[in-house]
Amino acid sequence: DIVLTQSPALAVSLGQRATISCKTNQNVDYYGNSYMHWYQQKPGQQPKLLIYLASNLASGIPARFSGRGSGTDFTLTIDPVEADDTATYYCQQSRNLPWTFGGGTKLELK
Amino acid sequence: EVKLVESGGGLVQPGRSLKLSCAASGFSFNDYWMGWVRQAPGKGLEWIGEINQDSSTINYTPSLKDKFTISRDNAQNTLYLQMSKLGSEDTAIYYCAREDLNYGSLFDYWGQGVMVTVSS
Repeated sequence: DIVLTQSPALAVSLGQRATISCKTNQNVDYYGNSYMHWYQQKPGQQPKLLIYLASNLASGIPARFSGRGSGTDFTLTIDPVEADDTATYYCQQSRNLPWTFGGGTKLELK
Repeated sequence: EVKLVESGGGLVQPGRSLKLSCAASGFSFNDYWMGWVRQAPGKGLEWIGEINQDSSTINYTPSLKDKFTISRDNAQNTLYLQMSKLGSEDTAIYYCAREDLNYGSLFDYWGQGVMVTVSS
């Protein structure tokens, strides 16, 4: 299985930039695409798709969110951070079955 | 509006079985792969499995393959998860999700989830 590793938590100040990382133990690139996706989950809610194929913004997601990376190293950036962004963020790979998620990074405000 | 509503959760004794349902609306259900994801209390997301449009392909995470069965009824726009030999480790919120394979098996819509508690 492909293992995705995320830092457990990150604290940033309002209006600053948050950078959340996701590292995989295998390359998730294939024919020019990186099969990495990002989700936001607020407490008591279901996850919500933010970014697909590493860098594409999902429908309705504000441009404050962006993703980049390839191979085994990926980042989700939120700039500037707003109060409503406090949540847990998960990466997910769909390069190889079984699909797997990272452990999640909880974003908190300083 | 895409809507996914799970049902069938609750308290179940260890070793027993339970079947979850996910009612879909707002999109053409039989055009999409569908999947199940679970989340143990205070933990991260775990992919359970997926089923294609005509049920000819069903994939599971290996550790759950012998306990869980995914099925669907396209006439009823409903996805199912049959769970057997349940243990305390299966206590979790269970989400159904629509999969978009155009961009590599991502989950673009999720239900609100249903809680399953395995306890005597």
